[in-house]
Amino acid sequence: KNQVEQSPQSLIILEGKNCTLQCNYTVSPFSNLRWYKQDTGRGPVSLTIMTFSENTKSNGRYTATLDADTKQSSLHITASQLSDSASYICVVTDRGSTLGRLYFGRGTQLTVWP
Amino acid sequence: EADIYQTPRYLVIGTGKKITLECSQTMGHDKMYWYQQDPGMELHLIHYSYGVNSTEKGDLSSESTVSRIRTEHFPLTLESARPSHTSQYLCASSEYGGGQYFGPGTRLTVT
Repeated sequence: KNQVEQSPQSLIILEGKNCTLQCNYTVSPFSNLRWYKQDTGRGPVSLTIMTFSENTKSNGRYTATLDADTKQSSLHITASQLSDSASYICVVTDRGSTLGRLYFGRGTQLTVWP
Repeated sequence: EADIYQTPRYLVIGTGKKITLECSQTMGHDKMYWYQQDPGMELHLIHYSYGVNSTEKGDLSSESTVSRIRTEHFPLTLESARPSHTSQYLCASSEYGGGQYFGPGTRLTVT
């Protein structure tokens, strides 16, 4: 069964600290993996996208890694800011269907305290 | 500016009412999607469209219906709202093979 599991479910850190969010997936055949940031009451916004051949991708203070062999990805946030408080969603696309089916994780709720 | 819009952002309505959630995108994307998301839960695909006059049901069974008469417009309709329809509804669009761009969402409460 194709699934995307994220951990931790929630995380609280102090402003300025770093953190790493995890995503494990069983989606096959794999097409790409995206990390989205979703502010409360808003739609998700794409942070990074990685295909099978990419190991790491950065977007400012956000760095995503991908290990396609172990089917694991991580999102590392450096020097956290209050505005980083949001839900971070891991989304994996399969390439076995015309639609390019997306599988969503439940997200990690990150709270940054001053 | 290319973007994707949803209206209304918030809606509180009584049981049995007919409602239409609007979604429009200015990016010229062929594919459009509707997702339902409960608090703290993952997004579930309820409808999608490959283009004009093309609509399909998603993974999550929904009593809603959609239409795609114009490329930029993908409204979702509930003929008779019920409390079980209370949720956040997110619209998205994408180019073929591209990532999905999400709208801000409509938070629906049915009393």
